[in-house]
Amino acid sequence: GAGVSQSPSNKVTEKGKDVELRCDPISGHTALYWYRQSLGQGLEFLIYFQGNSAPDKSGLPSDRFSAERTGGSVSTLTIQRTQQEDSAVYLCASSLFGGAETQYFGPGTRLLVL
Amino acid sequence: TQLLEQSPQFLSIQEGENLTVYCNSSSVFSSLQWYRQEPGEGPVLLVTVVTGGEVKKLKRLTFQFGDARKDSSLHITAAQPGDTGLYLCAGDRAGGTSYGKLTFGQGTILTVHP
Repeated sequence: GAGVSQSPSNKVTEKGKDVELRCDPISGHTALYWYRQSLGQGLEFLIYFQGNSAPDKSGLPSDRFSAERTGGSVSTLTIQRTQQEDSAVYLCASSLFGGAETQYFGPGTRLLVL
Repeated sequence: TQLLEQSPQFLSIQEGENLTVYCNSSSVFSSLQWYRQEPGEGPVLLVTVVTGGEVKKLKRLTFQFGDARKDSSLHITAAQPGDTGLYLCAGDRAGGTSYGKLTFGQGTILTVHP
Protein backbone atom coordinates (compact mmCIF):
# COMPACT_ATOMS: atom_id res chain seq x y z
CA GLY A 1 0.00 0.00 0.00
CA ALA A 2 1.02 3.57 -0.57
CA GLY A 3 2.57 5.60 2.18
CA VAL A 4 1.88 9.21 3.06
CA SER A 5 2.27 11.48 0.07
CA GLN A 6 2.70 15.22 -0.04
CA SER A 7 2.58 17.77 -2.82
CA PRO A 8 4.23 19.74 -4.11
CA SER A 9 7.68 18.37 -3.26
CA ASN A 10 9.16 21.81 -3.57
CA LYS A 11 7.59 25.25 -3.64
CA VAL A 12 9.30 28.56 -4.28
CA THR A 13 7.15 31.61 -3.73
CA GLU A 14 7.48 35.33 -3.31
CA LYS A 15 6.96 37.04 -0.02
CA GLY A 16 3.32 38.00 0.43
CA LYS A 17 1.88 35.23 -1.73
CA ASP A 18 -0.40 32.48 -0.42
CA VAL A 19 0.58 28.80 -0.65
CA GLU A 20 -1.30 25.54 -0.22
CA LEU A 21 0.40 22.33 0.82
CA ARG A 22 -1.35 19.01 0.42
CA CYS A 23 -1.11 15.78 2.39
CA ASP A 24 -2.59 12.41 1.42
CA PRO A 25 -2.44 10.13 4.47
CA ILE A 26 -2.36 6.36 4.46
CA SER A 27 -5.81 5.04 3.63
CA GLY A 28 -7.81 4.30 6.78
CA HIS A 29 -5.65 6.39 9.10
CA THR A 30 -7.88 8.62 11.19
CA ALA A 31 -5.14 10.71 12.79
CA LEU A 32 -3.15 13.27 10.82
CA TYR A 33 -0.39 15.60 12.01
CA TRP A 34 1.43 18.53 10.45
CA TYR A 35 4.96 19.41 11.56
CA ARG A 36 7.48 22.01 10.45
CA GLN A 37 11.21 21.38 10.22
CA SER A 38 13.81 24.10 9.87
CA LEU A 39 17.07 23.26 8.11
CA GLY A 40 18.76 20.32 9.84
CA GLN A 41 16.60 20.71 12.93
CA GLY A 42 14.01 18.78 14.81
CA LEU A 43 10.32 18.89 14.07
CA GLU A 44 7.88 21.42 15.46
CA PHE A 45 4.26 20.33 15.94
CA LEU A 46 1.71 22.47 14.10
CA ILE A 47 -1.73 20.81 14.18
CA TYR A 48 -3.48 17.50 14.81
CA PHE A 49 -6.58 16.14 13.08
CA GLN A 50 -8.79 13.29 14.21
CA GLY A 51 -11.09 12.66 11.31
CA ASN A 52 -12.07 16.08 9.98
CA SER A 53 -11.78 17.81 13.35
CA ALA A 54 -8.70 19.60 14.66
CA PRO A 55 -8.70 19.22 18.45
CA ASP A 56 -5.26 20.77 18.73
CA LYS A 57 -4.16 23.74 16.63
CA SER A 58 -1.81 25.04 19.28
CA GLY A 59 1.32 24.79 17.15
CA LEU A 60 0.17 27.05 14.31
CA PRO A 61 2.63 29.99 14.45
CA SER A 62 0.18 32.74 13.53
CA ASP A 63 -3.26 33.39 12.09
CA ARG A 64 -1.67 33.33 8.63
CA PHE A 65 -1.57 29.55 9.00
CA SER A 66 -4.68 27.41 8.65
CA ALA A 67 -5.43 23.81 7.83
CA GLU A 68 -8.39 21.67 6.96
CA ARG A 69 -9.13 18.03 6.36
CA THR A 70 -11.95 16.74 4.25
CA GLY A 71 -13.55 13.33 4.02
CA GLY A 72 -11.34 12.13 6.82
CA SER A 73 -8.55 11.90 4.30
CA VAL A 74 -6.74 14.67 2.43
CA SER A 75 -5.48 17.66 4.39
CA THR A 76 -4.41 21.07 3.16
CA LEU A 77 -2.15 23.46 5.05
CA THR A 78 -2.53 27.04 3.84
CA ILE A 79 -0.09 29.84 4.55
CA GLN A 80 -1.34 33.30 3.70
CA ARG A 81 0.88 36.30 2.99
CA THR A 82 4.03 34.19 3.26
CA GLN A 83 7.09 35.58 5.03
CA GLN A 84 10.72 34.57 4.64
CA GLU A 85 10.67 32.98 8.11
CA ASP A 86 8.04 30.55 6.81
CA SER A 87 10.74 28.86 4.71
CA ALA A 88 11.05 25.30 6.01
CA VAL A 89 10.12 21.72 5.28
CA TYR A 90 6.50 20.98 6.10
CA LEU A 91 5.95 17.35 7.05
CA CYS A 92 2.72 15.46 7.36
CA ALA A 93 2.26 12.23 9.31
CA SER A 94 -0.65 9.89 9.80
CA SER A 95 -1.42 7.10 12.22
CA LEU A 96 -4.18 4.56 12.49
CA PHE A 97 -6.01 6.00 15.48
CA GLY A 98 -3.63 8.51 17.04
CA GLY A 99 -2.42 7.99 20.59
CA ALA A 100 0.53 5.65 20.85
CA GLU A 101 0.11 4.40 17.28
CA THR A 102 3.16 4.73 15.04
CA GLN A 103 3.19 7.90 12.98
CA TYR A 104 4.18 7.48 9.34
CA PHE A 105 5.70 10.52 7.73
CA GLY A 106 5.49 11.80 4.20
CA PRO A 107 8.54 13.12 2.35
CA GLY A 108 7.63 16.72 3.08
CA THR A 109 7.18 19.91 1.08
CA ARG A 110 10.21 22.18 0.92
CA LEU A 111 8.98 25.75 0.98
CA LEU A 112 11.25 28.64 0.08
CA VAL A 113 9.92 32.16 0.41
CA LEU A 114 11.99 34.72 -1.48
CA THR B 1 13.00 26.55 25.61
CA GLN B 2 13.72 23.11 24.14
CA LEU B 3 11.80 20.42 26.00
CA LEU B 4 14.05 17.66 24.68
CA GLU B 5 17.76 18.43 24.55
CA GLN B 6 19.58 16.23 22.09
CA SER B 7 23.36 16.00 21.93
CA PRO B 8 25.64 16.18 20.17
CA GLN B 9 24.16 18.16 17.29
CA PHE B 10 26.88 17.04 14.91
CA LEU B 11 28.95 13.88 14.92
CA SER B 12 31.62 13.00 12.36
CA ILE B 13 33.37 9.68 12.86
CA GLN B 14 35.29 6.99 11.00
CA GLU B 15 33.81 3.66 9.98
CA GLY B 16 34.09 1.12 12.77
CA GLU B 17 33.90 3.59 15.64
CA ASN B 18 31.22 3.53 18.33
CA LEU B 19 29.02 6.49 19.21
CA THR B 20 26.28 7.54 21.60
CA VAL B 21 23.57 10.15 21.12
CA TYR B 22 21.76 11.53 24.15
CA CYS B 23 18.28 12.90 24.61
CA ASN B 24 17.56 14.63 27.92
CA SER B 25 14.63 16.41 29.51
CA SER B 26 13.37 17.62 32.84
CA SER B 27 9.94 16.28 31.92
CA VAL B 28 8.64 12.75 32.18
CA PHE B 29 7.56 11.02 29.00
CA SER B 30 5.04 8.23 28.50
CA SER B 31 7.17 6.98 25.65
CA LEU B 32 10.18 8.04 23.71
CA GLN B 33 10.88 7.33 20.09
CA TRP B 34 13.98 7.44 17.91
CA TYR B 35 13.74 8.29 14.22
CA ARG B 36 16.22 8.38 11.38
CA GLN B 37 15.78 10.80 8.52
CA GLU B 38 17.52 10.72 5.16
CA PRO B 39 17.86 13.86 2.99
CA GLY B 40 14.68 14.57 1.09
CA GLU B 41 12.62 12.09 3.07
CA GLY B 42 10.47 12.08 6.16
CA PRO B 43 11.61 10.57 9.47
CA VAL B 44 11.33 6.80 9.81
CA LEU B 45 10.66 5.26 13.19
CA LEU B 46 13.48 3.08 14.54
CA VAL B 47 12.17 2.19 17.98
CA THR B 48 9.75 3.15 20.74
CA VAL B 49 10.64 2.71 24.41
CA VAL B 50 7.91 2.94 27.02
CA THR B 51 9.18 1.44 30.27
CA GLY B 52 11.71 3.13 32.55
CA GLY B 53 15.04 1.33 32.31
CA GLU B 54 14.04 -0.42 29.10
CA VAL B 55 16.78 -1.44 26.67
CA LYS B 56 16.04 -2.36 23.08
CA LYS B 57 18.47 -3.58 20.46
CA LEU B 58 18.16 -3.28 16.71
CA LYS B 59 21.19 -4.97 15.12
CA ARG B 60 24.10 -2.63 15.95
CA LEU B 61 21.83 -0.01 17.56
CA THR B 62 21.04 -0.06 21.28
CA PHE B 63 18.36 2.19 22.73
CA GLN B 64 17.89 2.88 26.41
CA PHE B 65 15.13 4.68 28.31
CA GLY B 66 16.13 6.23 31.63
CA ASP B 67 14.70 4.83 34.84
CA ALA B 68 12.79 8.06 35.47
CA ARG B 69 11.60 8.22 31.84
CA LYS B 70 13.20 11.64 31.37
CA ASP B 71 16.10 10.67 29.15
CA SER B 72 17.19 8.23 26.50
CA SER B 73 20.27 7.25 24.58
CA LEU B 74 21.10 5.69 21.25
CA HIS B 75 24.34 3.76 20.97
CA ILE B 76 25.70 2.58 17.63
CA THR B 77 28.43 -0.05 17.59
CA ALA B 78 30.91 -0.26 14.73
CA ALA B 79 29.32 2.52 12.72
CA GLN B 80 29.08 2.13 8.96
CA PRO B 81 28.71 4.75 6.20
CA GLY B 82 25.15 3.57 5.76
CA ASP B 83 24.37 4.86 9.25
CA THR B 84 24.88 8.42 8.03
CA GLY B 85 21.78 10.54 8.54
CA LEU B 86 19.81 12.73 10.91
CA TYR B 87 18.76 11.02 14.13
CA LEU B 88 15.84 12.45 16.06
CA CYS B 89 14.42 11.65 19.44
CA ALA B 90 10.78 12.43 20.13
CA GLY B 91 8.62 12.03 23.18
CA ASP B 92 4.99 11.86 24.17
CA ARG B 93 4.76 13.80 27.43
CA ALA B 94 3.28 12.00 30.41
CA GLY B 95 0.08 13.62 31.56
CA GLY B 96 -0.16 15.47 28.30
CA THR B 97 -2.43 14.77 25.38
CA SER B 98 -3.70 11.32 24.62
CA TYR B 99 -3.45 11.60 20.88
CA GLY B 100 0.26 11.21 20.27
CA LYS B 101 1.46 14.79 20.08
CA LEU B 102 5.22 14.43 19.78
CA THR B 103 7.92 16.77 21.03
CA PHE B 104 11.15 16.44 19.07
CA GLY B 105 14.76 17.05 19.97
CA GLN B 106 16.92 19.20 17.69
CA GLY B 107 18.43 16.17 16.00
CA THR B 108 21.94 14.77 15.58
CA ILE B 109 23.54 14.84 12.15
CA LEU B 110 25.77 11.78 11.95
CA THR B 111 28.40 11.38 9.24
CA VAL B 112 30.34 8.13 9.05
CA HIS B 113 33.41 8.29 6.82
CA PRO B 114 34.66 5.16 5.01
